[in-house]
Amino acid sequence: EAGVTQFPSHSVIEKGQTVTLRCDPISGHDNLYWYRRVMGKEIKFLLHFVKESKQDESGMPNNRFLAERTGGTYSTLKVQPAELEDSGVYFCASSRRLAESTDTQYFGPGTRLTVL
Amino acid sequence: SQQGEEDPQALSIQEGENATMNCSYKTSINNLQWYRQNSGRGLVHLILIRSNEREKHSGRLRVTLDTSKKSSSLLITASRAADTASYFCAGANSKLTFGKGITLSVRP
Repeated sequence: EAGVTQFPSHSVIEKGQTVTLRCDPISGHDNLYWYRRVMGKEIKFLLHFVKESKQDESGMPNNRFLAERTGGTYSTLKVQPAELEDSGVYFCASSRRLAESTDTQYFGPGTRLTVL
Repeated sequence: SQQGEEDPQALSIQEGENATMNCSYKTSINNLQWYRQNSGRGLVHLILIRSNEREKHSGRLRVTLDTSKKSSSLLITASRAADTASYFCAGANSKLTFGKGITLSVRP
């Protein structure tokens, strides 16, 4: 079974530019999560999809961040326009059960975003 | 303070010794999960303990959960150099709430 994959692994952009991160969850996993770790801080929840619907987006920092999960498969996280404080590692995770959304979450390798 | 605060923040031990890492949390949880992260890599799930469980074993890992004290511990027995990594606990309800992590160094 393939794990959670994320693309790109690294992205370096200038302030004001747009970046789109992609996450492919484990096949058959209805739950998909985005998390972020800013350097020196803890890993923080951004949002949670159940299939194509946003279940919880309480962790999204502001309206410069837009997440989608068209068709309930892969997800994208767009940052537009990027600011310096958006730098960090963005993790995606997926889990299997719909009824038990607190089941084991399997994480991808992360995308390291650097905004200059 | 953040939910999922680990203690100690850094731990250095000799290969073969046991490593004990503690975690406290503040809000109610359905389960508590421990993860490991090797430098520059993603998070690897280690073990999940549900709120109605008190202890769980998996290989060299032993995790305990005390819901009355809102605390958990992860014990790695007979540590190896390959156990060197950062370890995170995360309280789970509908999402995971992480602490800052513990850096474990196992000296060969």
